[in-house]
Amino acid sequence: AQSVTQLGSHVSVSEGALVLLRCNYSSSVPPYLFWYVQYPNQGLQLLLKYTTGATLVKGINGFEAEFKKSETSFHLTKPSAHMSDAAEYFCAVSPSGTYKYIFGTGTRLKVLA
Amino acid sequence: EPEVTQTPSHQVTQMGQEVILRCVPISNHLYFYWYRQILGQKVEFLVSFYNNEISEKSEIFDDQFSVERPDGSNFTLKIRSTKLEDSAMYFCASSGGQGGEQYFGPGTRLTVT
Repeated sequence: AQSVTQLGSHVSVSEGALVLLRCNYSSSVPPYLFWYVQYPNQGLQLLLKYTTGATLVKGINGFEAEFKKSETSFHLTKPSAHMSDAAEYFCAVSPSGTYKYIFGTGTRLKVLA
Repeated sequence: EPEVTQTPSHQVTQMGQEVILRCVPISNHLYFYWYRQILGQKVEFLVSFYNNEISEKSEIFDDQFSVERPDGSNFTLKIRSTKLEDSAMYFCASSGGQGGEQYFGPGTRLTVT
C-alpha cells in the first residue's frame, strides 16, 4: 500500500533561517504530490503540487519543493523563515488511477524570533 | 476567490445519534471528497463522489456512513449511529478533475459524547 513519511513531527527554525521539511513516499509509479499548510483552526491550504514536468516546483509564500524520483522524495523548502510560516505542513500523494489523497502525519513548524 | 464551505463548524452529539455534516463545494467542481482527522493523527481519506455516485471509498467508510448530493450545491456526509471513535475533524474537499488539486473546507469538528 502507498504511504507517505514525514520525518520530524516538530521542526523549529529561527526567523530568517532555511526551512526544510522532509517527505518521502512509497510508490513504484510516481504519483501526484502535494504540500498543504494548516493554520490553527483553519482548513488545509494548497502550497504547491507536482504532477509532471519540471521537478522543481514553486508555490505560494516563497515555498518550493523538488521531486526526486530516485530518492522518492518531495522535500519542502523556503530560504528564509518568517514568523507567519508557523503552522502544520502536510505532504500528500495522489496515487495514479485513484481519487484519494494519502497524507503524511504532518510536521508542525515553529519559527523562533 | 471561490472556496469550499462547511457547516456547522462544531457539532456535539450523543452516541447513537445520527449526524449530517454539510458542505458546499466550489461551484464548477465535479469531484467531491470527505476526509477526517482524529485529534493528533493524520488526515484520512473517507470517500470520493463523482457523477452522483461513490467513485472510491476507504475501509473506514462502512455502512454507518453515507454521502449525498441532494441538490446542485450541497454535498453531505451522514453518520447513522455515531460512536465515540467518530469524534474527529471532518474535511470536505472538491476538485475540478481526477488527480487535480483538491480544495479543502475549514472542517467540522464532531464531538461524540
